[in-house]
Amino acid sequence: AQSVAQPEDQVNVAEGNPLTVKCTYSVSGNPYLFWYVQYPNRGLQFLLKYITGDNLVKGSYGFEAEFNKSQTSFHLKKPSALVSDSALYFCAVRESDRGSTLGRLYFGRGTQLTVWP
Amino acid sequence: DAGVTQSPTHLIKTRGQQVTLRCSPKSGHDTVSWYQQALGQGPQFIFQYYEEEERQRGNFPDRFSGHQFPNYSSELNVNALLLGDSALYLCASSRDRGLFYEQYFGPGTRLTVT
Repeated sequence: AQSVAQPEDQVNVAEGNPLTVKCTYSVSGNPYLFWYVQYPNRGLQFLLKYITGDNLVKGSYGFEAEFNKSQTSFHLKKPSALVSDSALYFCAVRESDRGSTLGRLYFGRGTQLTVWP
Repeated sequence: DAGVTQSPTHLIKTRGQQVTLRCSPKSGHDTVSWYQQALGQGPQFIFQYYEEEERQRGNFPDRFSGHQFPNYSSELNVNALLLGDSALYLCASSRDRGLFYEQYFGPGTRLTVT
């Protein structure tokens, strides 16, 4: 079965410091991986995705993520955090192979990122 | 270019009632998926519509039904509402069933069942 784990409910970092939000996944076959961000009372905004190719993916707002197949991880990173990065972050996965779950995203429970000044 | 839009923004219903939520996909998108996000949880997949047909369904009872119109817009209907149906309902659109493309989410409809 497909699943996503975000082991940290909360991550707190100081502004200007690097941040990492962790994600591990379980999927049969090759994964397509996504990060979304959610601000209070808002929908989800797409940040970045890994489909194939370079394991380091760059996305919006200076975020990047590293795909590690052996560790089944897709951690979100940013070299220098901003207070405005404070939000709820979701990792999602879906199968790459055509099948009954085509296009269906499986989400983690989310990680609340707080960046303090 | 308008993104994904949803209506209404908020809704309060009583147990046993029925509700209809609406979604207009992003321009150029032909696939609509619906997700339920309970408080403190990640979104859970309800179902996906493509070419006006339900293509996939998550673990949700038949009380949850939907429709896609020729202009790709979609509705989510929930019958016999339960308190546990209170959640943020998110609509996401994509191209070609999201095979190679990310899904874009609307702002959601906050449903409260009392």
